[in-house]
Amino acid sequence: KQEVTQIPAALSVPEGENLVLNCSFTDSAIYNLQWFRQDPGKGLTSLLLIQSSQREQTSGRLNASLDKSSGRSTLYIAASQPGDSATYLCAVRQSGSARQLTFGSGTQLTVLP
Amino acid sequence: DVKVTQSSRYLVKRTGEKVFLECVQDMDHENMFWYRQDPGLGLRLIYFSYDVKMKEKGDIPEGYSVSREKKERFSLILESASTNQTSMYLCADSGTPGVYTFGSGTRLTVV
Repeated sequence: KQEVTQIPAALSVPEGENLVLNCSFTDSAIYNLQWFRQDPGKGLTSLLLIQSSQREQTSGRLNASLDKSSGRSTLYIAASQPGDSATYLCAVRQSGSARQLTFGSGTQLTVLP
Repeated sequence: DVKVTQSSRYLVKRTGEKVFLECVQDMDHENMFWYRQDPGLGLRLIYFSYDVKMKEKGDIPEGYSVSREKKERFSLILESASTNQTSMYLCADSGTPGVYTFGSGTRLTVV
């Protein structure tokens, strides 16, 4: 059964720093991997989707990479801002007929002004 | 952009009540999902549906049922609410393969 782990569970950085969030998964037979953002008490907002054939995706200050063979993904946030404070979740969809996502437990990011 | 709408942001129900959580998407997508989210446990899949009247159990279906009579609407039913079903409930849909869109969530409290 797929397991997704995110380290660290919480991270606090000063504004302006570049930072990396980590995600690892145990079964490399994935269809894709998705990074989400969740603000307190709210739903999930999709940030980046990486298909299994891709190595990275970029959106603005965000860059996500995928190394399927080693079971790892990273989310790089450049020039962090207080508005980036949120919980970041990664989720994988397996190859084959499975349609659902398996989520990590998230990294709670705080960017200090 | 796809919009996924959950009918209630907050609900308070009594133990033993039958509870309906509604989710509507506006893009005629086939796949819809219900997750619950609890501190320390993350998001866990309750049920999903890949077409009208089609459903499959997720990881924690006990105490829940679902209904999908129309493609745009996927309902989660708590047959007899219990306090351990107090949680944040999140609905999602998926159209383009692998692209998931979530609703804003329903915070359910069972007293």
